[in-house]
Amino acid sequence: EAGVAQSPRYKIIEKRQSVAFWCNPISGHATLYWYQQILGQGPKLLIQFQNNGVVDDSQLPKDRFSAERLKGVDSTLKIQPAKLEDSAVYLCASSLDWGNRNTEAFFGQGTRLTVV
Amino acid sequence: AQSVTQLDSHVSVSEGTPVLLRCNYSSSYSPSLFWYVQHPNKGLQLLLKYTSAATLVKGINGFEAEFKKSETSFHLTKPSAHMSDAAEYFCVAIKAAGNKLTFGGGTRVLVKP
Repeated sequence: EAGVAQSPRYKIIEKRQSVAFWCNPISGHATLYWYQQILGQGPKLLIQFQNNGVVDDSQLPKDRFSAERLKGVDSTLKIQPAKLEDSAVYLCASSLDWGNRNTEAFFGQGTRLTVV
Repeated sequence: AQSVTQLDSHVSVSEGTPVLLRCNYSSSYSPSLFWYVQHPNKGLQLLLKYTSAATLVKGINGFEAEFKKSETSFHLTKPSAHMSDAAEYFCVAIKAAGNKLTFGGGTRVLVKP
């Protein structure tokens, strides 16, 4: 079974530039998550999709971050403009069932963003 | 509100000795609980999960965890640490209403030869 694919693996940009990350979840997984993991901390949920609808984006800094999930499959996360504090690993995860708390989330390898 | 607390940010053990990683959760009802491991520059991998069946859960690589509702705990153990166990470990809770994952702060495990 193919896992969650993310690209790029690494990205270095200057502050005030824009950047986009891509995620391809496991086939058939309805729920997709984007997490931000700052060095030394646990992952923080940025946005959660159920199919192509947003379930939770309460912690997404909407003045600079945006995300979409076209056709309920692939997803992109964009930052514009980037700030130094956005340096982190951005993790994408997917899970199969909506409302079934017994289903685990599968994570991609993440995109490490460095803002200089 | 649901929260997950990992009581130790760092744990150092010698190879061949037991490992104990502590996790407490707070919730108005029993959530499903998971332990994930994250090796350097790798994604998170599921070690084991508790889903209201048996309270003692066995996972991969010799890890197990025990759910104790009275103590609101889900501690992870391994009887004998291996060098390859050096990684960061996350305790995660999920509730059905929304499938929202709540992460603990993580415990970094160092294994000494």
